[in-house]
Amino acid sequence: SQTIHQWPATLVQPVGSPLSLECTVEGTSNPNLYWYRQAAGRGLQLLFYSVGIGQISSEVPQNLSASRPQDRQFILSSKKLLLSDSGFYLCAWSVPDTYNSPLHFGNGTRLTVT
Amino acid sequence: AQSVTQPDIHITVSEGASLELRCNYSYGATPYLFWYVQSPGQGLQLLLKYFSGDTLVQGIKGFEAEFKRSQSSFNLRKPSVHWSDAAEYFCAVAPGFQKLVFGTGTRLLVSP
Repeated sequence: SQTIHQWPATLVQPVGSPLSLECTVEGTSNPNLYWYRQAAGRGLQLLFYSVGIGQISSEVPQNLSASRPQDRQFILSSKKLLLSDSGFYLCAWSVPDTYNSPLHFGNGTRLTVT
Repeated sequence: AQSVTQPDIHITVSEGASLELRCNYSYGATPYLFWYVQSPGQGLQLLLKYFSGDTLVQGIKGFEAEFKRSQSSFNLRKPSVHWSDAAEYFCAVAPGFQKLVFGTGTRLLVSP
């Protein structure tokens, strides 16, 4: 069966420091991968998605970037964190080439920028 | 632009009582609709989905949802709520290829 792993679970970082969040998927090949951010009272916002290695689509301009160095690995990064980057970050995957495939989420990373 | 509205930020229901969470969507074509549940500090779990066919969809944990095109709604229901149902519930629509747009969520509180 497919599983998705996301780490770390919690992270406290000072303003201006770099960020690297990692997500890996097991049990499936060439999944579509997503990074969402959840801010209090604002639902989930799609940040990035990827349909293949090295292919990244950004949904909103921001201080973050994403990379997909391997088929089942998705990394969210920042060179210098801002206070506004605080939030709950969720990685998700879906079956490729299927219009109505639901998303399967990891357990999230709670990021607090101080 | 496609959007999802969940008008209730919080709902409190007594254990054993029935539940209905509201969801309205804005989308020009036939939507693909989903309900997810999120326990505190956790990721989201898919409860059910609607693509086509029968407008009453059954999901996990005793939940169901009814698609009403005339009202642009996809409300989530459960006949008898359990304390373990306390969580945040998200409605979502898939307006584009493999991308979901989520509502802002409804937090369900269950009173004894």
